Amino acid sequence: KQEVTQIPAALSVPEGENLVLNCSFTDSAIYNLQWFRQDPGKGLTSLLLIQSSQREQTSGRLNASLDKSSGRSTLYIAASQPGDSATYLCAGHGSSNTGKLIFGQGTTLQVKP
Amino acid sequence: GAGVSQTPSNKVTEKGKYVELRCDPISGHTALYWYRQSLGQGPEFLIYFQGTGAADDSGLPNDRFFAVRPEGSVSTLKIQRTERGDSAVYLCASSPHPAGGAFFGQGTRLTVV
Repeated sequence: KQEVTQIPAALSVPEGENLVLNCSFTDSAIYNLQWFRQDPGKGLTSLLLIQSSQREQTSGRLNASLDKSSGRSTLYIAASQPGDSATYLCAGHGSSNTGKLIFGQGTTLQVKP
Repeated sequence: GAGVSQTPSNKVTEKGKYVELRCDPISGHTALYWYRQSLGQGPEFLIYFQGTGAADDSGLPNDRFFAVRPEGSVSTLKIQRTERGDSAVYLCASSPHPAGGAFFGQGTRLTVV
């Protein structure tokens, strides 16, 4: 059974710092991987999708990488801002023909001004 | 529509009552998913539709839960004889194809009193 672990569970940093959020899978057979952001009381906003043939994706100050051999993904946030404060969730699809996303429990990030 | 729409945004019901939660996916998206999220946890998969049919309903917790998507667009999640343990945020997502990256609605917060 695929399980997803996100470390750390919570993180507090001063504004301007670069930071890394980690995500690991018990079963490295991940087809693709998606990172989401969730603000309190809100739904999930997709940040980055790493397709099966890719190893990383970049969007603005965000960079996500996926190492299938080790079953690990990282989300790098450069020059953090208070507006980045939210919960970040990673989720993976196990194959190309399943819609099931397996989620981690998230990392709650606080960026202090 | 521009995004996934879920109604109602909040629902309070008495224990034992029947509830229906509605999801209107992004136009043209063939895949539709329902997830449930408890406080402080990542979303848990409930059911996945490809078109009109339920391709994977392995996440439905018991036979009180049922979902339909009769015309391959709007979906309704139905919960019979609600219990206090059913209280959670119910999230709907759609995707242009399986494992194609999911787009989530804002969720329905269900409270069973």
